[in-house]
Parts: sequence; C-alpha cells; structure tokens
Amino acid sequence: DAKTTQPPSMDCAEGRAANLPCNHSTISGNEYVYWYRQIHSQGPQYIIHGLKNNETNEMASLIITEDRKSSTLILPHATLRDTAVYYCIVPFYNQGGKLIFGQGTELSVKP
Amino acid sequence: KAGVTQTPRYLIKTRGQQVTLSCSPISGHRSVSWYQQTPGQGLQFLFEYFSETQRNKGNFPGRFSGRQFSNSRSEMNVSTLELGDSALYLCASSLSTGPQGTLNEQYFGPGTRLTVT
Repeated sequence: DAKTTQPPSMDCAEGRAANLPCNHSTISGNEYVYWYRQIHSQGPQYIIHGLKNNETNEMASLIITEDRKSSTLILPHATLRDTAVYYCIVPFYNQGGKLIFGQGTELSVKP
Repeated sequence: KAGVTQTPRYLIKTRGQQVTLSCSPISGHRSVSWYQQTPGQGLQFLFEYFSETQRNKGNFPGRFSGRQFSNSRSEMNVSTLELGDSALYLCASSLSTGPQGTLNEQYFGPGTRLTVT
C-alpha cells in the first residue's frame, strides 16, 4: 500500500501558485519523498524529490516539514498545461526502483 | 538524449494468447521498471530489473514475466491473456547508481496500450 495520503482533487486559478499537500506520517529517516505527475494519456513525469531540506528546480518547489511527516509541492505560477494528476510517493528504502502510486491529487488549473 | 521508447504503442490480442512488450531505456540508464495502469486499480508496479537481474517484484501472477538484456533493454511477457489484462503498460528507466535518491528518479515511456478481446 502507498505510504502517503493526498486530497483527491484541487482547483487552482491560472497564474496563481498551486500548493499540493501530502501526508506521510510513517516515513523512515532515510526515505525520500518523490513527486510525479501524469497528464492525461501520457506516462508519469518525474518532478522533484527530497529527503529533509526544501528543494527547488525549474518545475517546482518541495517543502518538507521539520518532522518529515508531511510535504507540499508548489507550482509557483500554474498554467493550464499543469492540469494533471499529481502523485506523492515515499518508496521503501530497501526497494529501490519500486514506486507505489496512490490515487494522487487531480489538479485542475482554470483560466 | 532520447527518452524511453516502448514498442508497440498499441496492441490488440485475443484471450489465451501471449504478448511481448519492449522497452528501450534512456542511454546510460541501467534500471528498468514496469507498471500496469488500469482505471480500476490505477498504477501498479510489476517488476524492476537492474543488470539483467530482477530486483523487485509486485503482486502479479506468474503469467507476467520480464527480462533485461545486457544493453539494458527490457521486455515483458504476458502469457494466457485475460480480459482483465487490458491496460496501459508503462516502462520507466533510472540511473540507479546512487545516491539513493536517484534510484527512484524514474523516466517513463509513453506506454503500450494493450486491449484483450
């Protein structure tokens, strides 16, 4: 089973920041948090990952709480092309290469 | 760099037949994982290969098998097809050279859409 829980759906206005939350209360100290997204009819796309520090790349920012029990993916200026299902994943440390996808959050960016 | 490629993109088979799907990873990537996506079950992990060895396996029956070649290309096979095997089959590759964080930084192909009639 997935080790994360996410809201099933969220809306965001185009141009505004999209903040997608994820709970992972059973995360172990050496397990990473990964975010992927899947645009309709395409393969999932890797976005970002982190261990305990906040991370930023050209796509998004990842904020992990100090106790590491939750995180937030931030899309700073959402566009219509960011409409997708977003998955927060915490793989088991000793099972590298095995991603357990939950239901994810369906983000709808509206004009 | 070219992305992950999967062939064929679409396939129609009849119950009881078998099928082989192919995946070519990104150049330099040594780990290949396979996933099944259906509307009812979502994305489910099938298996992962690294250096021609299966390292992880999901909860699928033995009808689902795979292999990896020395050039990291991978194939998966489904024997005795059932209607429920109709799905999008996705392949993903990663560097898998550490640190641990990169093991699960996977890059997915477009998938093979299998329809079983």
